[in-house]
This record gives sequence, structure tokens and C-alpha cells, in this order.
Amino acid sequence: AQSVTQLDSQVPVFEEAPVELRCNYSSSVSVYLFWYVQYPNQGLQLLLKYLSGSTLVKGINGFEAEFNKSQTSFHLRKPSVHISDTAEYFCAVSHFGNEKLTFGTGTRLTIIP
Amino acid sequence: KAGVTQTPRYLIKTRGQQVTLSCSPISGHRSVSWYQQTPGQGLQFLFEYFSETQRNKGNFPGRFSGRQFSNSRSEMNVSTLELGDSALYLCASREDPGGQTAFFGQGTRLTVV
Repeated sequence: AQSVTQLDSQVPVFEEAPVELRCNYSSSVSVYLFWYVQYPNQGLQLLLKYLSGSTLVKGINGFEAEFNKSQTSFHLRKPSVHISDTAEYFCAVSHFGNEKLTFGTGTRLTIIP
Repeated sequence: KAGVTQTPRYLIKTRGQQVTLSCSPISGHRSVSWYQQTPGQGLQFLFEYFSETQRNKGNFPGRFSGRQFSNSRSEMNVSTLELGDSALYLCASREDPGGQTAFFGQGTRLTVV
């Protein structure tokens, strides 16, 4: 079985400051990792994904994440946030042969002007 | 290319009724999955369809069912609605079951009164 832990349910950050949203996973097999963003009353939009290869992945809107196998982590970072980044962020995991996504509980990112 | 289309966007139903939600995947995508999102349980996997066959199923009661048509469009049905079925229902499409990336629709907000 696989699971995802997002340690912070809410993260307030000042505009133009950096942010890191934490994600840890548990799985007995090799994983695929994803970050999705959800704006109010919207579906999920893919920010970035790690399937294999380089452990540093870059996504849309200036976000990036680093896959750390030894620490079973996939933290999301952005060097300078904007008001428009206010949303809920979900980390998810799947693996080859069972592509259903297991999601974390989400982190609500609030940008303070 | 058009994204994943879910209809309707909003629904209000009464306890005991049944409801059918529709999902049209991205053109060329043949795998469709359904997820339920609630404040209490978060995002949970319902089922996945490919080539009109259910490939995978989550831990939901038999009142939740789905199907897929030859054009890859999918419907999910919930019978004998309960208050706890109130949720955002999200549909995701992939190119095929081995496609690692799921693209989500805007969701259908179901309210059971």
C-alpha cells in the first residue's frame, strides 16, 4: 500500500517570499510523484511530475520539486510567490501497474500582501 | 485540444434519489478515472475504466457504479443517495492505463439534501 503525508495543512507566506510545501510518501515499490493545484471551485491542475530521471523537476508557474528517495520526500518550492498562487496544493503518488493516485490531505497556501 | 469535460457542474438531489454524472475525456485518451473529494475524507479513488471495462475499484459501496462507452466517455451513477454523498466528483483522463499522467476536469459539485 502507498500513502502520502503533507505535514502542513496551512502555510501563510508574504508576497514575494519563498515557500516550501512538504510532502512525504510511503511505498514498497518505485513511485511516480505529482503535485496538483486546486483553485476555489475548480478541478485539479497538474503543476509538475516525477516519473524517472533527474530528481529536480520544474513545473508551471515557477514551481519546482525535488525527489529524494532516501528521505522519501517530494517537496514543492517556489523562490518568490505571488497573490495568484493562493490555492490548495495536493501531493500524489502512484506506481507502475497501478496508476490510481493516492493523494495527501492538501496544503492551503495563503499569500499575505 | 479540449480538456476533460464534466457535466453538469452543479447538482442538488434529495436523499434516496439517484444521480448520473458524465465525463468526456481529452480527445485520444482512453482511460477514465473517478475521484470523490470531501472536506472530511479528502480525495479518494472511486474507479477506473479502459476499453469499456472497469480496471480498478476503490473502497466504496455498491451504490457507486460507473461505465464507459465505446467513444471513451464515462458516466458514474450513485443510487439511493445519502447526505454523506455530498462532494465534488472529479474525473481524470489518461492516454491509456499505462499513461502516468492524469488530467482532471472541473468536477461536478453534488449536494444531497
